[in-house]
Amino acid sequence: GESVGLHLPTLSVQEGDNSIINCAYSNSASDYFIWYKQESGKGPQFIIDIRSNMDKRQGQRVTVLLNKTVKHLSLQIAATQPGDSAVYFCAENRLGSSNYKLTFGKGTLLTVNP
Amino acid sequence: ETGVTQSPTHLIKTRGQQVTLRCSSQSGHNTVSWYQQALGQGPQFIFQYYREEENGRGNFPPRFSGLQFPNYSSELNVNALELDDSALYLCASSPSGRAPNTGELFFGEGSRLTVL
Repeated sequence: GESVGLHLPTLSVQEGDNSIINCAYSNSASDYFIWYKQESGKGPQFIIDIRSNMDKRQGQRVTVLLNKTVKHLSLQIAATQPGDSAVYFCAENRLGSSNYKLTFGKGTLLTVNP
Repeated sequence: ETGVTQSPTHLIKTRGQQVTLRCSSQSGHNTVSWYQQALGQGPQFIFQYYREEENGRGNFPPRFSGLQFPNYSSELNVNALELDDSALYLCASSPSGRAPNTGELFFGEGSRLTVL
């Protein structure tokens, strides 16, 4: 089965609110976790990543939190904008991987209401 | 800087036919990975090419094959097409075949294959 999964398939928020997208993983040996954004008709776009030896990383309007105890990853988007509407995927890269293979979850559809 | 480009963007085939999809990697990237994304699903790793050799393969049958050329561009070939092969095929390039420090892959916009 999937080693990376998402708690909610859809999330609807009001413009200006903060969004939180969650992800669970099962392999504690994963080295990196990455969040991608995929807009309709486009390929996935890198948002932010986090290494397994970190518990928090911040970018521009985004924060990723990693809780290794419960094997949970979250993406927080501050002041969500209509342009943030997309499908968000978490993905993992396994420790010791000899190639850059990402394992993706199914995705969460974020809809931002004006 | 030129990003990852894929062709064709859309195509329709019938069962049993063969298809070739093409990808040009981002400038400076020597590694190309291919992913299959079925409707409503996350991308699934097919294989990766590094320095013109296959450098890892996902759970896909041998009728999925690929090539990488000296200029690092790549092809994905699928023989004996089945209905379940209908999907978005994504190409991604990266600077190195091994798990990089930044965790980034740069994806193209994909080739949408429909098998009838």
